Amino acid sequence: EIVLTQSPGTLSLSPGERATLSCRASQSVSSSYLAWYQQKPGQAPRLLIYGASSRATGIPDRFGGSGSGTDFTLTISRLEPEDFAVYYCQRYGSSPPLTFGGGTKVEIK
Amino acid sequence: VQLLESGGGLVQPGGSLRLSCAASGFTFSSYTMSWVRQAPGKGLEWVAHVTPDGRQQWYADSVKGRFTGSRDNSKNTLFLQINNLRAEDTAVYYCARDGIPYNGIYDAFDIWGQGTMVTVSS
Repeated sequence: EIVLTQSPGTLSLSPGERATLSCRASQSVSSSYLAWYQQKPGQAPRLLIYGASSRATGIPDRFGGSGSGTDFTLTISRLEPEDFAVYYCQRYGSSPPLTFGGGTKVEIK
Repeated sequence: VQLLESGGGLVQPGGSLRLSCAASGFTFSSYTMSWVRQAPGKGLEWVAHVTPDGRQQWYADSVKGRFTGSRDNSKNTLFLQINNLRAEDTAVYYCARDGIPYNGIYDAFDIWGQGTMVTVSS
């Protein structure tokens, strides 16, 4: 089973700043089957990024994904007030389980 | 495009529940569907998924043997039968849709329901 480790656990930043979130896999993620989700309190998760770097429908271009193999990054270029939330990475593809990382909370500094 | 879960509630340890997820706005029979849960204050945990024809199901080790996923494509509905419930099964249970029609690869989840709460307590 591939284990995903997200860091940091909490990121304290101000609106307008750049956020860099990390997701490290215990084994190589094939074909970059890596997704990122955003979750706000009381809401279901929302797909942001799939295929490590492709933005989902309707996602602003301030959200960017990169990486391959075992190291992946979600970057938010300039934080907007609505971006303060918890972010999860997920590995998907041909072989279950489809594991999630433990999450990174982006909070207002 | 919408998913609507139901069937959650308060149940005693060892009890059973059947969760439902009603789909609308897309060709339900073409998509693998999943269940994902989230314990209070915790992260997301993938639980199970069911291929479009219902013939293949995969489960997380934590629920294998107790949870059974199924679907009725004629009613556009996904189910999760949960037996022998434990306190650690207390969570919001979400259903979610794969981002593309099934082609042998399980995709990221592009549509999520609002969730249904399951509480296991005596």
